[in-house]
Amino acid sequence: AQSVAQPEDQVNVAEGNPLTVKCTYSVSGNPYLFWYVQYPNRGLQFLLKYITGDNLVKGSYGFEAEFNKSQTSFHLKKPSALVSDSALYFCAVRDVSRDTGRRALTFGSGTRLQVQP
Amino acid sequence: DAGVIQSPRHEVTEMGQEVTLRCKPISGHDYLFWYRQTMMRGLELLIYFNNNVPIDDSGMPEDRFSAKMPNASFSTLKIQPSEPRDSAVYFCASRAGSGAEAFFGQGTRLTVV
Repeated sequence: AQSVAQPEDQVNVAEGNPLTVKCTYSVSGNPYLFWYVQYPNRGLQFLLKYITGDNLVKGSYGFEAEFNKSQTSFHLKKPSALVSDSALYFCAVRDVSRDTGRRALTFGSGTRLQVQP
Repeated sequence: DAGVIQSPRHEVTEMGQEVTLRCKPISGHDYLFWYRQTMMRGLELLIYFNNNVPIDDSGMPEDRFSAKMPNASFSTLKIQPSEPRDSAVYFCASRAGSGAEAFFGQGTRLTVV
């Protein structure tokens, strides 16, 4: 089985400050991890992914995320938040093990990021 | 490429009516997914296809829901008969290969009254 937890329903941060959106995952085997962003009345847009290799991955719009296997976490970060970053953020996981893997993503419940001017 | 295209964008229908949602994936993508988004349950996978073949339909809530992919460029999700609890935003997504990210359409907002 594969699952994702986003423990915060909402994160508030002032513009210019660093932001972190938390994500922890559970898989039987090895994970592929993704972050998506959703703006009002829009579909999900891909931000970044971890497949293998460097634990720190960089993505669109200045976002980055760090894969931590021991803590089973994949937190999304940005050094300096913008008001335009305000949106709904989803973490997603896929277990890619041959025996237990599933070819579709399981999404977390989402975290609403609010950046105040 | 125009991305994943879904139609209609909005659908309002009466309980008991048949509803058909449509999706055109990105050309060359071999995986297609249907998700449903509600406030209560978040994003749920309904079904996915690989090379037009349904692989996992365990997320389809009831027999009232059915999905088809007659060719690589078209898929439908049908609800018959529709019920008010089916009201949600339905997303289609496609992906090229195992390690790639999925691209989502704009979604169809379904309201059943």
